[in-house]
Amino acid sequence: NAGVMQNPRHLVRRRGQEARLRCSPMKGHSHVYWYRQLPEEGLKFMVYLQKENIIDESGMPKERFSAEFPKEGPSILRIQQVVRGDSAAYFCASSPGTPSEAFFGQGTRLTVV
Amino acid sequence: AQSVTQPDIHITVSEGASLELRCNYSYGATPYLFWYVQSPGQGLQLLLKYFSGDTLVQGIKGFEAEFKRSQSSFNLRKPSVHWSDADEYFCAVGEVKLSFGAGTTVTVRA
Repeated sequence: NAGVMQNPRHLVRRRGQEARLRCSPMKGHSHVYWYRQLPEEGLKFMVYLQKENIIDESGMPKERFSAEFPKEGPSILRIQQVVRGDSAAYFCASSPGTPSEAFFGQGTRLTVV
Repeated sequence: AQSVTQPDIHITVSEGASLELRCNYSYGATPYLFWYVQSPGQGLQLLLKYFSGDTLVQGIKGFEAEFKRSQSSFNLRKPSVHWSDADEYFCAVGEVKLSFGAGTTVTVRA
């Protein structure tokens, strides 16, 4: 049973470009979470999704950030017009329900130059 | 609001010595508590969790944690550390979305 798969592992974008981060949850998991980790900090919750629904986006910046988890395919975290401050590690996690332990992917390390 | 405090940013311990990492939480109801470990450039691996029941929880890699409601604490312990335990450790609380502490980096000296 494969774990949570995130791609790409590393992403470099110039300021103003768009970044798309993908996450395939573990088989059988219908709950997906995105977290951001800034250097020297812990993880910060961004958004919680189930298939075709955003359940809680209280941690998402109001502008430029969006997330989706379509009926088919991976969950996508999209950052438009990236700025240097967006440079961070973005982690996806999945769980079979709540409450339950969340399984984390390896993360996507975004660098904005 | 839920939150976690890990008072120790960095701990150095000798190989074979005992280790204790502190975690204090704030949560409005019965907390769901977790300890994760992260290697450099990697994702998070769950060490153990507490949902209810026995307040002493056993995890993987020889780790255990004790939930103390009166102290709002969930400290992680290992009786004898190995060089491979050098990593960063995160305490987290939450039922759906998790709130993480800032992490404790553990260095193991020979």
